[in-house]
Amino acid sequence: GEDVEQSLFLSVREGDSSVINCTYTDSSSTYLYWYKQEPGAGLQLLTYIFSNMDMKQDQRLTVLLNKKDKHLSLRIADTQTGDSAIYFCAEKGQSGGYQKVTFGIGTKLQVIP
Amino acid sequence: DTGVSQNPRHKITKRGQNVTFRCDPISEHNRLYWYRQTLGQGPEFLTYFQNEAQLEKSRLLSDRFSAERPKGSFSTLEIQRTEQGDSAMYLCASSIPSGRAYNEQFFGPGTRLTVL
Repeated sequence: GEDVEQSLFLSVREGDSSVINCTYTDSSSTYLYWYKQEPGAGLQLLTYIFSNMDMKQDQRLTVLLNKKDKHLSLRIADTQTGDSAIYFCAEKGQSGGYQKVTFGIGTKLQVIP
Repeated sequence: DTGVSQNPRHKITKRGQNVTFRCDPISEHNRLYWYRQTLGQGPEFLTYFQNEAQLEKSRLLSDRFSAERPKGSFSTLEIQRTEQGDSAMYLCASSIPSGRAYNEQFFGPGTRLTVL
């Protein structure tokens, strides 16, 4: 079945870059996503990447995809205190249903001022 | 506010009682999803509707769980004979098949269920 794994916690200083890593098992993944969840708020889609892409950049966010190793990363440049949140990696594959999105456990990012 | 709304935001119930949650998606969205998120975990897919048709159900959705979307707009999720293991945040999301296959799902704030 599909599985998505992430590290639990990351602490960085304000102004530094943050890199959050994720691995997944579904080789049929079509889209991979990064969602952000702030306390008391719903999940918000930050960015996504199609499985035939290696990299996607969107302002301070850079997504890298290594499809061979099934590894996805999210780099946040110039991390700010407002970036403190839980970041979820997620994938949509062909297996498990056309619309099913599988989420990882989430990485809690703490930004130290 | 034109986002996804969920009611109630919090529900405390005793074991064995039935509970029902409501989700109102973004008005033009015809796809609606239910997820369950337990503490320290990511959301787990429960079920998916396209308009009023329930097209996918997870193995997580036991016989005690039922979801409906009678008119293709709001949806309800009912849990019968609640158990302590049902305590979780229940998330609703909606999306629109606009041709963007990446299928951005917009999430509501969730309903937190506590079963005593």
